[in-house]
Amino acid sequence: DTGVSQNPRHKITKRGQNVTFRCDPISEHNRLYWYRQTLGQGPEFLTYFQNEAQLEKSRLLSDRFSAERPKGSFSTLEIQRTEQGDSAMYLCASSRDRGLETQYFGPGTRLLVL
Amino acid sequence: GQSLEQPSEVTAVEGAIVQINCTYQTSGFYGLSWYQQHDGGAPTFLSYNALDGLEETGRFSSFLSRSDSYGYLLLQELQMKDSASYFCARHYNQGGKLIFGQGTELSVKP
Repeated sequence: DTGVSQNPRHKITKRGQNVTFRCDPISEHNRLYWYRQTLGQGPEFLTYFQNEAQLEKSRLLSDRFSAERPKGSFSTLEIQRTEQGDSAMYLCASSRDRGLETQYFGPGTRLLVL
Repeated sequence: GQSLEQPSEVTAVEGAIVQINCTYQTSGFYGLSWYQQHDGGAPTFLSYNALDGLEETGRFSSFLSRSDSYGYLLLQELQMKDSASYFCARHYNQGGKLIFGQGTELSVKP
């Protein structure tokens, strides 16, 4: 069990550019979650998958954000036309799919939009 | 109907016991988890309550009262390394999203 991994760990981009982040969940976990965290706040839910199906997406999530999990393993989160307000830590978590299961978080990708 | 309230900061001394409270709104409640996060690190799972009562895991315990919409995290024998942010998070439905509080920053002094 190698834990949840995320790449890259840090990303600096200019406003208007597109960025893509990757998350590799714990291998036997079918559920995968994306959260965003800004300084001094708790993580905020963005979206989650059960296998390859995207089951819920936050209403706060702009249409510039899209997430995929094509084979039910790793996931990508893309932000198009980045804005300075997108600067945050993007966290991925995974869990088993038996009822209420603990979510285990990856180290996050810290995004800075200049 | 999803928000959680917890104190923004708590200070305690090494060896002491500290309690971090969390109140939540009741709609769609399935359980309460607690996470620890050090500066720049990932949230780390500490404890979880679905039913009323106390769950003990080493120096950390968590309590839930569903009738009072209230829970707390109890940290015993505080160590300097316990200085971190602590988040309560409610399970909004089975297997779905977690809704986090804004976090309590714990400072442990010598």
